[in-house]
Amino acid sequence: DVKVTQSSRYLVKRTGEKVFLECVQDMDHENMFWYRQDPGLGLRLIYFSYDVKMKEKGDIPEGYSVSREKKERFSLILESASTNQTSMYLCASSLASPSTDTQYFGPGTRLTVL
Amino acid sequence: AQSVAQPEDQVNVAEGNPLTVKCTYSVSGNPYLFWYVQYPNRGLQFLLKYITGDNLVKGSYGFEAEFNKSQTSFHLKKPSALVSDSALYFCAVGVYNFNKFYFGSGTKLNVKP
Repeated sequence: DVKVTQSSRYLVKRTGEKVFLECVQDMDHENMFWYRQDPGLGLRLIYFSYDVKMKEKGDIPEGYSVSREKKERFSLILESASTNQTSMYLCASSLASPSTDTQYFGPGTRLTVL
Repeated sequence: AQSVAQPEDQVNVAEGNPLTVKCTYSVSGNPYLFWYVQYPNRGLQFLLKYITGDNLVKGSYGFEAEFNKSQTSFHLKKPSALVSDSALYFCAVGVYNFNKFYFGSGTKLNVKP
């Protein structure tokens, strides 16, 4: 079974702090994704990575950056957290195609920015 | 533009009754269709997917989905609902050579005892 883990289930940060969310997958998947989930808005893609050190912006990249130094690990960085970044953050991975292979999700990190 | 619509924010059904959660899509090209389920404060779990072939796809936990090309729909169904099926359900579509899934906004399923 594919396993995607996220570093924290719940996180509380202050406005202006730099925040790191980490995601690890154990199935040698090429693609990794970061989404945020807000009530009524569904899932919105922030960034995805199709290979080590490669990344592409998703629908809402503003205020976020990412890092993929190793194949199994994909980090989401909030350079200066703001209250409007309070949300549920979901990481996912898929084998080869980002649009046709099944995406497997981690348990999510619920981030609160005060 | 590619899009997915889940027209119902919420579906209520009594335990033991059949359930349907609706999904329609609009894509250019052949669609790859997925259903996911999310329990409270958890990530999304994969239920089933349609690539090609038989229009009726069977998935986890007794769920199935019917692909209808003419109506561009991919409705999720279960013959007999359980209270434990209560959750948030997401439909997603992908198209080859694009770089992402398109997710619906989600449908909350409430199964009453």
